[in-house]
Amino acid sequence: ETGVTQTPRHLVMGMTNKKSLKCEQHLGHNAMYWYKQSAKKPLELMFVYNFKEQTENNSVPSRFSPECPNSSHLFLHLHTLQPEDSALYLCASSQEEPPSNTEAFFGQGTRLTVV
Amino acid sequence: RKEVEQDPGPFNVPEGATVAFNCTYSNSASQSFFWYRQDCRKEPKLLMSVYSSGNEDGRFTAQLNRASQYISLLIRDSKLSDSATYLCVVSGSNYQLIWGAGTKLIIKP
Repeated sequence: ETGVTQTPRHLVMGMTNKKSLKCEQHLGHNAMYWYKQSAKKPLELMFVYNFKEQTENNSVPSRFSPECPNSSHLFLHLHTLQPEDSALYLCASSQEEPPSNTEAFFGQGTRLTVV
Repeated sequence: RKEVEQDPGPFNVPEGATVAFNCTYSNSASQSFFWYRQDCRKEPKLLMSVYSSGNEDGRFTAQLNRASQYISLLIRDSKLSDSATYLCVVSGSNYQLIWGAGTKLIIKP
């Protein structure tokens, strides 16, 4: 069983909806990440939080809004998404942020479809 | 040129055979290298880190070639359960991890 849990596993939303993805890690890690994985494309890093502080925002559109209330929880708030935002959204955590050579543990992902 | 490039495959390999694939990277300053495995509709999981001197874990051997800027993964005596997509991961200029799109491996009985 993974130490990182994501909910929901599947989400279908209209372009005018507002929804949130949730991630929780039970590993005592300090760094948490949101990734986007589209079909046949590399994982794209979206946001990085280290000790609850956002340390990276890879030019992600403002319709994606992250929130990290504590080191165990991470949210991704979604609003007015576009069909091209449909993808698998993966949360991950690691003991520390790179360049430390630490393993990243992933949640099972939320498969998002925007209609 | 992509920062991390992999042959998408699929590599169709008979059970018991040896298979190898490479991953090239563009940043000569990269310091950390990994192979992850991702099963269909599942999350990626770390297979092994890649060290400068090369490393082996059971049937899996990883090598780093800094001069030519590639890493490789060799799988010996392949099993049906090795069927998956193998993701190459390399640290970028700001230490963030850059992911390849993956190489799909299918082991056939």
